[in-house]
Amino acid sequence: QKEVEQDPGPLSVPEGAIVSLNCTYSNSAFQYFMWYRQYSRKGPELLMYTYSSGNKEDGRFTAQVDKSSKYISLFIRDSQPSDSATYLCATAGTGFQKLVFGTGTRLLVSP
Amino acid sequence: GAVVSQHPSWVICKSGTSVKIECRSLDFQATTMFWYRQFPKQSLMLMATSNEGSKATYEQGVEKDKFLINHASLTLSTLTVTSAHPEDSSFYICSAHPGVGSDYEQYFGPGTRLTVT
Repeated sequence: QKEVEQDPGPLSVPEGAIVSLNCTYSNSAFQYFMWYRQYSRKGPELLMYTYSSGNKEDGRFTAQVDKSSKYISLFIRDSQPSDSATYLCATAGTGFQKLVFGTGTRLLVSP
Repeated sequence: GAVVSQHPSWVICKSGTSVKIECRSLDFQATTMFWYRQFPKQSLMLMATSNEGSKATYEQGVEKDKFLINHASLTLSTLTVTSAHPEDSSFYICSAHPGVGSDYEQYFGPGTRLTVT
């Protein structure tokens, strides 16, 4: 079993749709939960992070973590074609440990 | 924000030759740098962790004699793919941890695409 599971997609939505991206993880020691966006042939860029459980909102993006079910979500409101990219979830424990990435979900937002 | 650069961005080499990839933190000092490999439509696979002035720690299954990592300064780490073969063709990405701030922080470079012919 992979430590972090993520549906690779692709997920295709029309412009303006609400997008829900999800990951599950297995290690209860994980405390940091991140979402990265990666455009084709580019390095990942950090979108959002959450420490422990809870929600975090930043503009059109909302990250949710449910540690009881080991479930991580990223919601994108009013999706735009420029949001088309691969979204990677990542987790880490405390005391600076290596990041563990999901496989990434490819999102396609059509105009 | 923190910027990490990689050079070259794209390299083609012949089988059997060695290729060096540089990773630089441009506006901060990176006590720890990471090297990842990414195959098409797959996630990032951590290859090794390097701390400035010490030997790199390689992940299981990664050949340390093939993928030489040097972290000579707080702003530069290099990955040398020795005696490259076509199966080494991949997208190599580095990241850097500033050593201060949150535990999770890593800033990624733009990646280097290696093609071995």
